[in-house]
Amino acid sequence: GAVVSQHPSWVICKSGTSVKIECRSLDFQATTMFWYRQFPKQSLMLMATSNEGSKATYEQGVEKDKFLINHASLTLSTLTVTSAHPEDSSFYICSAMGRAPSPYEQYFGPGTRLTVT
Amino acid sequence: GENVEQHPSTLSVQEGDSAVIKCTYSDSASNYFPWYKQELGKGPQLIIDIRSNVGEKKDQRIAVTLNKTAKHFSLHITETQPEDSAVYFCAAREEYGNKLVFGAGTILRVKS
Repeated sequence: GAVVSQHPSWVICKSGTSVKIECRSLDFQATTMFWYRQFPKQSLMLMATSNEGSKATYEQGVEKDKFLINHASLTLSTLTVTSAHPEDSSFYICSAMGRAPSPYEQYFGPGTRLTVT
Repeated sequence: GENVEQHPSTLSVQEGDSAVIKCTYSDSASNYFPWYKQELGKGPQLIIDIRSNVGEKKDQRIAVTLNKTAKHFSLHITETQPEDSAVYFCAAREEYGNKLVFGAGTILRVKS
């Protein structure tokens, strides 16, 4: 149990366009979802935390108008990268938490590789 | 806020040997310490975790120890196998907000 999926697994887009990444908890209700980005050979950097039905809380230095996060239901959160530029190319990973199966554990998705040309 | 340091950055061991990765954290209020294994191009996978009220936890070849006084925790992998080769991250959960703060990662290479 406790599976998190992401779609798409990889995407290539042109500079200036927007791209949406979906994160779904498949078998549990996610009260909180997190979005991370990871550059090659680096650690995970938290971008934002979202609770179902409320606005996301962004980490310092993350532009909320550029990285739009929507957590509309207990099983779905989306990250939209608006007006993407090559420097936005990265590996984006979501994670989800709920009251079950564990109130402590974050369950991670498989990641989405974004390449902006 | 919480700060997590992880050592070493790379670790090479011979198959069958043990591997130890160490992390220190700064916030004494942190209460949950997971370890993740990440293979190339994939998301992190939880391999073991420990809560602040426990000193040690073991799961087959993997163990984690926690020293709250010294604010450090370690991952121990025994009888390493080539499939253990990956990047390992430690993390600490902040007391409020459920945020995880990650260490910089350790590249483990198990040579056969």
